[in-house]
Amino acid sequence: AQKVTQAQTEISVVEKEDVTLDCVYETRDTTYYLFWYKQPPSGELVFLIRRNSFDEQNEISGRYSWNFQKSTSSFNFTITASQVVDSAVYFCALKRHSNYQLIWGAGTKLIIKP
Amino acid sequence: DTEVTQTPKHLVMGMTNKKSLKCEQHMGHRAMYWYKQKAKKPPELMFVYSYEKLSINESVPSRFSPECPNSSLLNLHLHALQPEDSALYLCASSLPGGDPRGRESPTGAKNIQYFGAGTRLSVL
Repeated sequence: AQKVTQAQTEISVVEKEDVTLDCVYETRDTTYYLFWYKQPPSGELVFLIRRNSFDEQNEISGRYSWNFQKSTSSFNFTITASQVVDSAVYFCALKRHSNYQLIWGAGTKLIIKP
Repeated sequence: DTEVTQTPKHLVMGMTNKKSLKCEQHMGHRAMYWYKQKAKKPPELMFVYSYEKLSINESVPSRFSPECPNSSLLNLHLHALQPEDSALYLCASSLPGGDPRGRESPTGAKNIQYFGAGTRLSVL
């Protein structure tokens, strides 16, 4: 069975702090894909990153970085020097190689206070 | 450009009304999706169209009727909805998979779903 767990329901930090959102997944597949999406209050789901199971390197994009650890089945997301505009619900998702469906985590609500 | 446009942004309808939600993309994507999202929950997949053919129907009640008139357009026709159908309805599109079920393409084209801003539906 496939499953994605985002154990942090809500995180609140003060602006400029660093924050890490956890994502743990379960799958028996050897090839799979992991995603992070951002959903601000406006409702649109914004694609942030897609990661293949066979990629070795971690990703950095500006203030965002992602740490993929196959050994612990985790794909954590770190925001450095957080800003108020980062406030949103963040979803981690898993996709099998064999079909369209995204298996979603429950989401983590991130609140950045000025 | 990764834009998926949904109209209307908000919709209020009675249980006897018939209405339609519209979704449009011009990215050349040949897979399009409808999702339903309740508050504080992740999206739930409803339908997938692949090359304008219905590929996946996640046991959605018949009061929801999808339609894909062409490769850029996806509609969701609503009839006799219930108050519990009130939710955010999201459309997404992606490059298609290597087969109608969505297996990753052997060409390596990435199946990334890009979402619209959604339609907030209230059923009274």
